[in-house]
Amino acid sequence: GAGVSQSPRYKVAKRGQDVALRCDPISGHVSLFWYQQALGQGPEFLTYFQNEAQLDKSGLPSDRFFAERPEGSVSTLKIQRTQQEDSAVYLCASSSPKAGAHNEQFFGPGTRLTVL
Amino acid sequence: DQQVKQNSPSLSVQEGRISILNCDYTNSMFDYFLWYKKYPAEGPTFLISISSIKDKNEDGRFTVFLNKSAKHLSLHIVPSQPGDSAVYFCAASTEIGATNKLIFGTGTLLAVQP
Repeated sequence: GAGVSQSPRYKVAKRGQDVALRCDPISGHVSLFWYQQALGQGPEFLTYFQNEAQLDKSGLPSDRFFAERPEGSVSTLKIQRTQQEDSAVYLCASSSPKAGAHNEQFFGPGTRLTVL
Repeated sequence: DQQVKQNSPSLSVQEGRISILNCDYTNSMFDYFLWYKKYPAEGPTFLISISSIKDKNEDGRFTVFLNKSAKHLSLHIVPSQPGDSAVYFCAASTEIGATNKLIFGTGTLLAVQP
């Protein structure tokens, strides 16, 4: 498809389980971002990749969160030992940066994670 | 510490009238601002942006105004249509740090009444 896709769209996990969320960015987009959106809030930055390099992971809330993009395209966000406070929509976005310019980010539909 | 603020959680407007959505920011290093529109169960969709070197950008029915001295921007939709009903997020970024991550406000729910 032409847009950013994410899977699964919905995930229910029991507290303590590990989950893996997948993002397929727009083909050719160099930059990939993960955001977390809690209910009633705006998206909050988690981490950023430029190709396969994770250049910024300052937004990851704990060491239970891990992201990778090994071949510079598909990315996976993994959450270990999920907690109830991890319940949120996880959004992936990609962009194709031009040197010296800002670029709009294109978002996927998100994965809604519910931790029971 | 909310760097981007949207103080109106909701706004209701009649079809055909103007919708004005407001956004304030605190970080003077922000140099690029964007508006996103979000329907339920979908990801945010880019609407319009403005660089800090400009004070206005227009695209069809949508115009964004930036007042840097007041650290305030607004999105005008004229005329409003029922299909514009959605949550609107203001976002900001800075080139410092080279991440270009977006800092979002909490959103304003716009309802356009037919």
